[in-house]
Amino acid sequence: QKEVEQDPGPLSVPEGAIVSLNCTYSNSAFQYFMWYRQYSRKGPELLMYTYSSGNKEDGRFTAQVDKSSKYISLFIRDSQPSDSATYLCAIFSGGYNKLIFGAGTRLAVHP
Amino acid sequence: EAQVTQNPRYLITVTGKKLTVTCSQNMNHEYMSWYRQDPGLGLRQIYYSMNVEVTDKGDVPEGYKVSRKEKRNFPLILESPSPNQTSLYFCASSLAGVLSYEQYFGPGTRLTVT
Repeated sequence: QKEVEQDPGPLSVPEGAIVSLNCTYSNSAFQYFMWYRQYSRKGPELLMYTYSSGNKEDGRFTAQVDKSSKYISLFIRDSQPSDSATYLCAIFSGGYNKLIFGAGTRLAVHP
Repeated sequence: EAQVTQNPRYLITVTGKKLTVTCSQNMNHEYMSWYRQDPGLGLRQIYYSMNVEVTDKGDVPEGYKVSRKEKRNFPLILESPSPNQTSLYFCASSLAGVLSYEQYFGPGTRLTVT
């Protein structure tokens, strides 16, 4: 079983739609949960992080962690064509000093 | 401008010809890491370094070497490249400890080994 599982998509939505991106993880000890965004031909960049359970909101983006079900989500409201990118969930393993990434979900928002 | 740079950005080489991909950061970060990105597999860590002269294996270290002689530089060395090392490579850096969750990535190096 992979430590972090993510549906690779692709996901295609019309502009203005609400997007839901999801990952599951296996180790209940993880505490730091991240979403990175990667535009085509670029390196990933940190979009949001959440410590432990709960929600975190930043503009149109909401990150959610449910530790009881080992489920992490990213919601994008009023999606824009500029949101078209690959979204990678990641977990920080402090014990091993590394980020563990999901496979990434490619999102396309069409006008 | 704070950044991680990698060179070259694109490289086509033949099996067995030694190559080095350079990585440099200007943020005075202690932690640096190399990843490879393959379709369906996401980003996998090759090697990482906690500080100068301190390096350790990641998940897929076979066929790669690294060194950290200066804080800003972390080159990736392929002594004898093989076709299964064809991939997109990223270097990343961050502060040390728990703050390593926020990593800054370079633009990537696309390597093709024929």
